[in-house]
Amino acid sequence: DAGVIQSPRHEVTEMGQEVTLRCKPISGHNSLFWYRQTMMRGLELLIYFNNNVPIDDSGMPEDRFSAKMPNASFSTLKIQPSEPRDSAVYFCASSPGSLEAFFGQGTRLTVV
Amino acid sequence: AQRVTQPEKLLSVFKGAPVELKCNYSYSGSPELFWYVQYSRQRLQLLLRHISRESIKGFTADLNKGETSFHLKKPFAQEEDSAMYYCALSRGNQGGKLIFGQGTELSVKP
Repeated sequence: DAGVIQSPRHEVTEMGQEVTLRCKPISGHNSLFWYRQTMMRGLELLIYFNNNVPIDDSGMPEDRFSAKMPNASFSTLKIQPSEPRDSAVYFCASSPGSLEAFFGQGTRLTVV
Repeated sequence: AQRVTQPEKLLSVFKGAPVELKCNYSYSGSPELFWYVQYSRQRLQLLLRHISRESIKGFTADLNKGETSFHLKKPFAQEEDSAMYYCALSRGNQGGKLIFGQGTELSVKP
């Protein structure tokens, strides 16, 4: 098993552009999480899905951020329009419902 | 408020020395606590969880509810232990809904 797969690994975009980050969870896991890591705020939970349904999006910073999970094997996190302060590493994680989360390698986003 | 505090950003020790990475938490319910580790250029991975009471790679962590602490310890550090260590608190019964501390970088010198 390749684990949680995120793409792209690195993304550089200009302010105002739309950015889409992708995640493929581990097969059979029913929960998916998006985290953001910054120097200032550390690792923060943005949103989590259970059985493809968004359960808690209280961590999503503002309306420019949206996340979808159209099926059990795919999720996206979209930022539109992007701003320099969105620059961060975005992690996706999945869980089989146990007490362990399995993380992807992250997407490093730079908005210039 | 639910919070995890790791007071040290960087901890530097020599090989063979004991290591203690500190973690304090605030949580109104019964906490589920974890240590995650991130080695250079690798993904974040679970190291320990308090309910397992296990030792992984020589590391142990004991939950002290009186002191609201979950410090990570190893009696003899190895160079391969050098990594970022994150203490995390689980909200509810979903293991992935985590509140993380800021992380401590452990550097083990030869």
